[in-house]
Amino acid sequence: EVQLVESGGGLVQPGRSLKLSCAASGFTFSNYGMHWIRQAPTKGLEWVASISPSGGSTYYRDSVKGRFTISRDNAKSTLYLQMDSLRSEDTATYYCATDNGDGWFAYWGQGTLVTVSS
Amino acid sequence: DVVMTQTPPSLSVAIGQSVSISCKSSQSLVASDKNTYLNWLLQSPGRSPKRLIYQVSKLDSGVPDRFSGSGSEKDFTLKISRVEAEDLGVYYCLQGTHLPFTFGSGTKLEIK
Repeated sequence: EVQLVESGGGLVQPGRSLKLSCAASGFTFSNYGMHWIRQAPTKGLEWVASISPSGGSTYYRDSVKGRFTISRDNAKSTLYLQMDSLRSEDTATYYCATDNGDGWFAYWGQGTLVTVSS
Repeated sequence: DVVMTQTPPSLSVAIGQSVSISCKSSQSLVASDKNTYLNWLLQSPGRSPKRLIYQVSKLDSGVPDRFSGSGSEKDFTLKISRVEAEDLGVYYCLQGTHLPFTFGSGTKLEIK
């Protein structure tokens, strides 16, 4: 069974940093692209970043480019999102998602809440 | 960015009825490999999103065949036949053809 478990969320002040993790199990992690998606309170879904299976290619939405870094450790089957220079508008539940042989965003984790506030 | 216009924003339907949700993209979603990367997701209350349909019309494993997807290019539809109580939640379309990937604004399905 595919499992994705996010962690690392919490309350952080504007301008500070936070690192999210997504521990994967139940599939061959190194074979699939991975994604971070966020959902502000009571709002819709917003794609944040993606990474290729090897980690050699990364993609970001413009509003986080230069502030967020997506990475992965295939030996540990773990995805990361380093978030720097956080802003109030980054407040959201952050989900990780994986592709599968049938395409993109096949499985999602339960999410971790990030609150940016002074 | 590709804008995904999803309608209606909400639906209220009785058990056993059928519903359709529309998703229109501002650009063609046909990729260079000729595939069309349009997914449908369901976010049940208090839960994380779950993919139901990928590449326009292919059902994920375990998804009831009451769900069906159709469409091409820029115009897509999710149909739910014989709605059941477990179908309530917010449905999103998601395009994975063009970066940045973008979602529709969601359709909230309520049961009468």
